[in-house]
Amino acid sequence: NAGVTQTPKFQVLKTGQSMTLQCAQDMNHEYMSWYRQDPGMGLRLIHYSVGAGITDQGEVPNGYNVSRSTTEDFPLRLLSAAPSQTSVYFCASRMGSETYEQYFGPGTRLTVT
Amino acid sequence: AQTVTQSQPEMSVQEAETVTLSCTYDTSESNYYLFWYKQPPSRQMILVIRQEAYKQQNATENRFSVNFQKAAKSFSLKISDSQLGDTAMYFCAFMGGSPSGGTSYGKLTFGQGTILTVHP
Repeated sequence: NAGVTQTPKFQVLKTGQSMTLQCAQDMNHEYMSWYRQDPGMGLRLIHYSVGAGITDQGEVPNGYNVSRSTTEDFPLRLLSAAPSQTSVYFCASRMGSETYEQYFGPGTRLTVT
Repeated sequence: AQTVTQSQPEMSVQEAETVTLSCTYDTSESNYYLFWYKQPPSRQMILVIRQEAYKQQNATENRFSVNFQKAAKSFSLKISDSQLGDTAMYFCAFMGGSPSGGTSYGKLTFGQGTILTVHP
């Protein structure tokens, strides 16, 4: 198993550009989440999904869109990047409601200039 | 809403010594899980140890143990026989549970993190 994979590892965007951060897992996990990590603030939940076709907002959803058309993939879209979105982004997955352990991807470092 | 607070931005310890990282949390839930995650310079998030709130016994994993004080809402991590490879950022995290014993949608609420440096 590859676990949770994220692409790209690094990205630089100009303000106003759009892009999609990719996340995939091969463990047949129901639950998937996106977090952002900023200095001094830990990780904060952006969006999450409890299954294909089901998504919901987390703590800091503004400026981000998600969709979940398959169990394996959970892409995060930035429609119009802003410098405030400069951060490290982590995707995580979990088997389901009866389990506690989250598996994290390696992260994507995004810089918006 | 839950909050998790780590009041020590940075800690340092000599190799082979013991260090304790502090974490407090606030919640109105009765069922929940607490975790310590390690993030080395590679950026990978690694689960170190977990504690179920309904268990009174403190969790241990080799050199890592916790002091879980439910009434005080405190959850500290003790690292014994510190090693150079323990140098990392450590995050305390909270996940709400349910009366049936399952977990919620899986939201983790993280503390701000503590940078631990182990000196040779």
